[in-house]
Amino acid sequence: DAGVTQSPTHLIKTRGQHVTLRCSPISGHKSVSWYQQVLGQGPQFIFQYYEKEERGRGNFPDRFSARQFPNYSSELNVNALLLGDSALYLCASSLNGQRATNEKLFFGSGTQLSVL
Amino acid sequence: RKEVEQDPGPFNVPEGATVAFNCTYSNSASQSFFWYRQDCRKEPKLLMSVYSSGNEDGRFTAQLNRASQYISLLIRDSKLSDSATYLCVVFLRGNEKLTFGTGTRLTIIP
Repeated sequence: DAGVTQSPTHLIKTRGQHVTLRCSPISGHKSVSWYQQVLGQGPQFIFQYYEKEERGRGNFPDRFSARQFPNYSSELNVNALLLGDSALYLCASSLNGQRATNEKLFFGSGTQLSVL
Repeated sequence: RKEVEQDPGPFNVPEGATVAFNCTYSNSASQSFFWYRQDCRKEPKLLMSVYSSGNEDGRFTAQLNRASQYISLLIRDSKLSDSATYLCVVFLRGNEKLTFGTGTRLTIIP
Protein backbone atom coordinates (compact mmCIF):
# COMPACT_ATOMS: atom_id res chain seq x y z
CA ASP A 1 0.00 0.00 0.00
CA ALA A 2 1.20 3.51 -0.74
CA GLY A 3 2.17 5.69 2.19
CA VAL A 4 1.48 9.40 2.47
CA THR A 5 2.37 11.05 -0.81
CA GLN A 6 3.19 14.71 -1.30
CA SER A 7 3.78 16.79 -4.38
CA PRO A 8 5.85 18.45 -5.55
CA THR A 9 8.99 17.27 -3.76
CA HIS A 10 10.82 20.54 -4.34
CA LEU A 11 9.63 24.00 -5.26
CA ILE A 12 11.33 27.35 -5.81
CA LYS A 13 9.28 30.53 -5.63
CA THR A 14 9.95 34.24 -5.29
CA ARG A 15 8.66 36.61 -2.64
CA GLY A 16 5.04 37.62 -3.10
CA GLN A 17 4.08 34.55 -5.10
CA HIS A 18 1.50 31.96 -4.15
CA VAL A 19 2.07 28.22 -3.68
CA THR A 20 -0.14 25.14 -3.46
CA LEU A 21 1.15 21.94 -1.91
CA ARG A 22 -0.69 18.65 -2.23
CA CYS A 23 -1.01 15.58 -0.06
CA SER A 24 -2.68 12.18 -0.38
CA PRO A 25 -3.13 10.29 2.90
CA ILE A 26 -2.78 6.58 3.41
CA SER A 27 -5.79 4.74 2.03
CA GLY A 28 -8.52 4.60 4.66
CA HIS A 29 -7.13 7.48 6.72
CA LYS A 30 -9.59 10.32 7.22
CA SER A 31 -7.36 12.93 8.83
CA VAL A 32 -4.57 15.04 7.38
CA SER A 33 -2.28 17.41 9.28
CA TRP A 34 0.22 19.90 7.94
CA TYR A 35 3.50 20.84 9.61
CA GLN A 36 6.25 23.32 8.74
CA GLN A 37 9.85 22.44 9.54
CA VAL A 38 12.44 25.17 9.32
CA LEU A 39 16.06 24.02 9.13
CA GLY A 40 17.39 23.16 12.58
CA GLN A 41 13.96 23.13 14.24
CA GLY A 42 11.31 20.55 14.94
CA PRO A 43 8.11 20.48 12.87
CA GLN A 44 5.52 23.14 13.79
CA PHE A 45 1.80 22.40 13.51
CA ILE A 46 -0.12 24.38 10.90
CA PHE A 47 -3.51 22.65 10.41
CA GLN A 48 -5.43 19.47 11.02
CA TYR A 49 -8.39 18.36 8.92
CA TYR A 50 -10.76 15.51 9.66
CA GLU A 51 -13.65 14.50 7.45
CA LYS A 52 -13.16 17.69 5.40
CA GLU A 53 -13.53 19.96 8.43
CA GLU A 54 -10.75 22.00 10.02
CA ARG A 55 -10.20 20.64 13.50
CA GLY A 56 -7.08 22.49 14.57
CA ARG A 57 -5.01 25.49 13.56
CA GLY A 58 -1.54 26.46 14.68
CA ASN A 59 -0.05 29.91 15.18
CA PHE A 60 0.36 30.82 11.51
CA PRO A 61 -0.87 33.95 9.67
CA ASP A 62 -3.96 34.02 7.48
CA ARG A 63 -1.71 33.74 4.43
CA PHE A 64 -1.75 30.03 5.20
CA SER A 65 -4.91 28.13 4.32
CA ALA A 66 -5.83 24.54 3.62
CA ARG A 67 -8.69 22.31 2.65
CA GLN A 68 -9.54 18.62 2.51
CA PHE A 69 -11.39 17.02 -0.35
CA PRO A 70 -14.05 14.24 -0.33
CA ASN A 71 -11.35 11.68 -1.15
CA TYR A 72 -9.46 12.91 1.97
CA SER A 73 -6.57 14.40 0.00
CA SER A 74 -5.55 17.89 1.03
CA GLU A 75 -4.01 21.10 -0.23
CA LEU A 76 -2.01 23.68 1.67
CA ASN A 77 -1.99 27.16 0.17
CA VAL A 78 0.37 29.95 1.09
CA ASN A 79 -0.15 33.45 -0.30
CA ALA A 80 2.24 36.41 -0.50
CA LEU A 81 5.30 34.26 0.16
CA LEU A 82 8.02 35.59 2.44
CA LEU A 83 11.64 34.50 2.67
CA GLY A 84 10.85 33.04 6.09
CA ASP A 85 8.35 30.64 4.53
CA SER A 86 11.28 28.62 3.18
CA ALA A 87 10.97 25.26 4.90
CA LEU A 88 10.12 21.60 4.57
CA TYR A 89 6.33 21.23 4.57
CA LEU A 90 5.22 17.90 5.94
CA CYS A 91 1.85 16.27 5.57
CA ALA A 92 0.80 13.56 7.99
CA SER A 93 -2.18 11.25 7.98
CA SER A 94 -3.95 9.30 10.69
CA LEU A 95 -6.97 7.08 10.79
CA ASN A 96 -9.27 9.26 12.89
CA GLY A 97 -7.28 12.35 13.71
CA GLN A 98 -5.74 10.91 16.84
CA ARG A 99 -9.01 10.58 18.72
CA ALA A 100 -7.29 7.71 20.48
CA THR A 101 -4.25 9.03 22.31
CA ASN A 102 -1.93 6.42 20.86
CA GLU A 103 -3.22 6.56 17.31
CA LYS A 104 -0.20 6.75 15.06
CA LEU A 105 0.64 9.61 12.74
CA PHE A 106 2.38 8.84 9.45
CA PHE A 107 4.38 11.51 7.64
CA GLY A 108 4.97 12.01 3.94
CA SER A 109 8.45 12.83 2.71
CA GLY A 110 7.60 16.50 2.45
CA THR A 111 7.81 19.38 0.01
CA GLN A 112 10.96 21.47 0.26
CA LEU A 113 9.94 25.06 -0.48
CA SER A 114 12.58 27.69 -1.18
CA VAL A 115 11.51 31.32 -1.40
CA LEU A 116 14.02 33.62 -3.09
CA ARG B 1 9.33 28.69 27.99
CA LYS B 2 9.16 26.30 25.05
CA GLU B 3 6.43 23.66 25.17
CA VAL B 4 8.97 20.88 24.57
CA GLU B 5 12.66 21.36 25.29
CA GLN B 6 15.54 19.18 24.20
CA ASP B 7 19.31 19.51 24.21
CA PRO B 8 20.05 20.04 20.49
CA GLY B 9 23.48 18.37 20.75
CA PRO B 10 25.26 17.36 18.66
CA PHE B 11 26.14 14.16 20.45
CA ASN B 12 29.12 12.33 18.93
CA VAL B 13 29.27 8.86 20.42
CA PRO B 14 31.53 5.86 19.63
CA GLU B 15 29.91 2.77 18.22
CA GLY B 16 28.80 0.37 20.93
CA ALA B 17 28.36 3.05 23.59
CA THR B 18 25.17 3.81 25.50
CA VAL B 19 23.62 7.23 24.96
CA ALA B 20 20.74 8.95 26.73
CA PHE B 21 18.57 11.87 25.63
CA ASN B 22 16.34 13.94 27.85
CA CYS B 23 13.33 16.11 27.16
CA THR B 24 11.04 18.26 29.30
CA TYR B 25 7.53 19.48 28.52
CA SER B 26 5.68 22.43 29.97
CA ASN B 27 2.00 21.40 29.86
CA SER B 28 1.19 19.04 32.71
CA ALA B 29 -2.05 18.02 30.97
CA SER B 30 -0.14 16.44 28.05
CA GLN B 31 -1.50 12.98 27.43
CA SER B 32 0.71 11.08 24.99
CA PHE B 33 4.43 11.03 24.46
CA PHE B 34 6.61 9.80 21.64
CA TRP B 35 10.11 9.66 20.29
CA TYR B 36 10.47 10.20 16.55
CA ARG B 37 13.59 9.68 14.49
CA GLN B 38 14.43 11.91 11.54
CA ASP B 39 17.22 11.20 9.08
CA CYS B 40 18.79 14.08 7.16
CA ARG B 41 16.32 15.59 4.64
CA LYS B 42 13.75 12.88 5.38
CA GLU B 43 10.41 12.82 7.16
CA PRO B 44 10.09 12.04 10.89
CA LYS B 45 9.28 8.42 11.67
CA LEU B 46 7.83 7.10 14.89
CA LEU B 47 10.49 5.34 16.93
CA MET B 48 8.41 4.48 19.95
CA SER B 49 5.61 5.64 22.19
CA VAL B 50 6.47 6.42 25.80
CA TYR B 51 4.38 4.96 28.62
CA SER B 52 4.28 5.88 32.30
CA SER B 53 5.57 2.45 33.28
CA GLY B 54 8.52 2.78 30.93
CA ASN B 55 8.91 0.65 27.85
CA GLU B 56 11.61 -1.09 25.90
CA ASP B 57 12.00 -2.01 22.24
CA GLY B 58 15.20 -3.91 21.60
CA ARG B 59 18.12 -1.59 22.31
CA PHE B 60 15.82 1.36 22.99
CA THR B 61 14.28 2.21 26.36
CA ALA B 62 11.90 5.11 26.98
CA GLN B 63 10.89 6.53 30.35
CA LEU B 64 8.26 9.05 31.39
CA ASN B 65 8.17 10.96 34.67
CA ARG B 66 4.87 12.84 34.83
CA ALA B 67 5.66 14.48 38.16
CA SER B 68 8.80 16.07 36.74
CA GLN B 69 7.36 16.40 33.21
CA TYR B 70 10.40 14.64 31.87
CA ILE B 71 10.91 12.07 29.11
CA SER B 72 14.04 10.11 28.32
CA LEU B 73 15.36 7.81 25.62
CA LEU B 74 18.23 5.37 26.17
CA ILE B 75 20.03 3.66 23.30
CA ARG B 76 22.26 0.73 24.22
CA ASP B 77 25.00 -0.79 22.07
CA SER B 78 24.70 2.05 19.57
CA LYS B 79 25.07 1.28 15.86
CA LEU B 80 26.24 3.47 13.00
CA SER B 81 22.68 3.31 11.67
CA ASP B 82 21.43 5.05 14.84
CA SER B 83 22.90 8.33 13.55
CA ALA B 84 19.93 10.66 13.15
CA THR B 85 18.02 13.45 14.85
CA TYR B 86 15.76 12.30 17.67
CA LEU B 87 12.62 14.34 18.25
CA CYS B 88 10.73 14.39 21.52
CA VAL B 89 7.00 14.77 20.90
CA VAL B 90 3.97 15.35 23.13
CA PHE B 91 0.25 15.28 22.33
CA LEU B 92 -2.54 17.12 24.14
CA ARG B 93 -6.07 16.27 23.08
CA GLY B 94 -7.99 19.44 22.38
CA ASN B 95 -4.98 21.03 20.70
CA GLU B 96 -5.23 18.34 17.99
CA LYS B 97 -1.55 18.57 17.27
CA LEU B 98 1.77 16.96 18.02
CA THR B 99 4.23 19.37 19.62
CA PHE B 100 7.81 18.64 18.68
CA GLY B 101 11.04 19.53 20.38
CA THR B 102 13.85 20.94 18.27
CA GLY B 103 15.49 17.51 18.12
CA THR B 104 18.80 16.12 19.32
CA ARG B 105 21.38 15.34 16.69
CA LEU B 106 23.23 12.06 17.25
CA THR B 107 26.27 10.85 15.30
CA ILE B 108 27.71 7.41 15.98
CA ILE B 109 31.42 7.29 15.27
CA PRO B 110 33.08 4.07 14.00
